[in-house]
Amino acid sequence: ILNVEQSPQSLHVQEGDSTNFTCSFPSSNFYALHWYRWETAKSPEALFVMTLNGDEKKKGRISATLNTKEGYSYLYIKGSQPEDSATYLCAFPNTGGFKTIFGAGTRLFVKA
Amino acid sequence: DADVTQTPRNRITKTGKRIMLECSQTKGHDRMYWYRQDPGLGLRLIYYSFDVKDINKGEISDGYSVSRQAQAKFSLSLESAIPNQTALYFCATSERTGENEQFFGPGTRLTVL
Repeated sequence: ILNVEQSPQSLHVQEGDSTNFTCSFPSSNFYALHWYRWETAKSPEALFVMTLNGDEKKKGRISATLNTKEGYSYLYIKGSQPEDSATYLCAFPNTGGFKTIFGAGTRLFVKA
Repeated sequence: DADVTQTPRNRITKTGKRIMLECSQTKGHDRMYWYRQDPGLGLRLIYYSFDVKDINKGEISDGYSVSRQAQAKFSLSLESAIPNQTALYFCATSERTGENEQFFGPGTRLTVL
């Protein structure tokens, strides 16, 4: 069974802090990696779809990098704001995208 | 209007009851999925469907069944609900190409007493 691990489980930061968290996935048979943002009482929404080793994606203050050879991706948030408080999920679709394994998520709390 | 809708949004039922959760989408996507989410765990795949005639089991399909009535509709049934099926259930859709992201419905919170 494939394992997708995220660390840390939760993170408390102050407004203005920059932060990052990790997603680890199997490095063999890489197909794609997704990052989702999941706010409380809402549904997960895609942030990034990453497919190539060395990919770097950016959306506003949030960016992500991908290393498929060693099996990890980092998500960075620059200058965290209270509205960034959410659970950030990474997801690893198998080849062909038939099944997607989700990590348990990193729960971010940003205090004003 | 939401692209992926789920009904009901909340449901409380008793052990042994049959229950159906429904999902509809207006995104025109071929692929649809049902997941459950439990505290401390990631989303786990129950069933997925690539079109009306193609339905596949996910990692935790025991105790569940599905029906793909049309491209836009995918229902999840619990034939005889049990308490450990208490969870948050999400429907999701994606385009045909696998690496595309999934679009989630608002979720159904199911409690089995």
